[in-house]
Amino acid sequence: GAVVSQHPSWVICKSGTSVKIECRSLDFQATTMFWYRQFPKKSLMLMATSNEGSKATYEQGVEKDKFLINHASLTLSTLTVTSAHPEDSSFYICSARTNDYGYTFGSGTRLTVV
Amino acid sequence: GESVGLHLPTLSVQEGDNSIINCAYSNSASDYFIWYKQESGKGPQFIIDIRSNMDKRQGQRVTVLLNKTVKHLSLQIAATQPGDSAVYFCAENKNAGKSTFGDGTTLTVKP
Repeated sequence: GAVVSQHPSWVICKSGTSVKIECRSLDFQATTMFWYRQFPKKSLMLMATSNEGSKATYEQGVEKDKFLINHASLTLSTLTVTSAHPEDSSFYICSARTNDYGYTFGSGTRLTVV
Repeated sequence: GESVGLHLPTLSVQEGDNSIINCAYSNSASDYFIWYKQESGKGPQFIIDIRSNMDKRQGQRVTVLLNKTVKHLSLQIAATQPGDSAVYFCAENKNAGKSTFGDGTTLTVKP
């Protein structure tokens, strides 16, 4: 089946530093990937839609300069949290749409900013 | 605006019983619905989907029912097992695009 690999699974960083999260489709090509954020015991909130070869589309209220998205190839999308602060601590999840298997999600990245 | 919600935040069932998890949606233009299972610390896992031109779809031990008249979606799990304990989300999609998730129902299976 379609697999999406997300790395790292967890990361701790200091305030003011930047963190990059990778999302790879392992056995299929994904022209579109989605980035979500999830707070404890809450639902997934869509942050942005990542489009291969073009700019990402951000949801209302999401700072595009804060959350940089790059989708340089058909199998890789990255989310960079720039100048991270404690309020950016969250669970970040990517997903990709597949023709046969619906939407496949990565395993998520737990970001803790200290 | 559109929203997708679940009726109950928690559900507790005995092992072997059937579970029914409900979801209400507000966007009548939605054409594709998905149920996901999320275990602690992991990403959502696709369970089953249904398109708006259907009212029922069955998988292995799971059945999704769609009632477009009242904009209601349900997930039925037969013979619930301890491994079914997780948070279940319904999600709505339009035009094969982004998913809008409901709040989630935590299913606990008691032995």
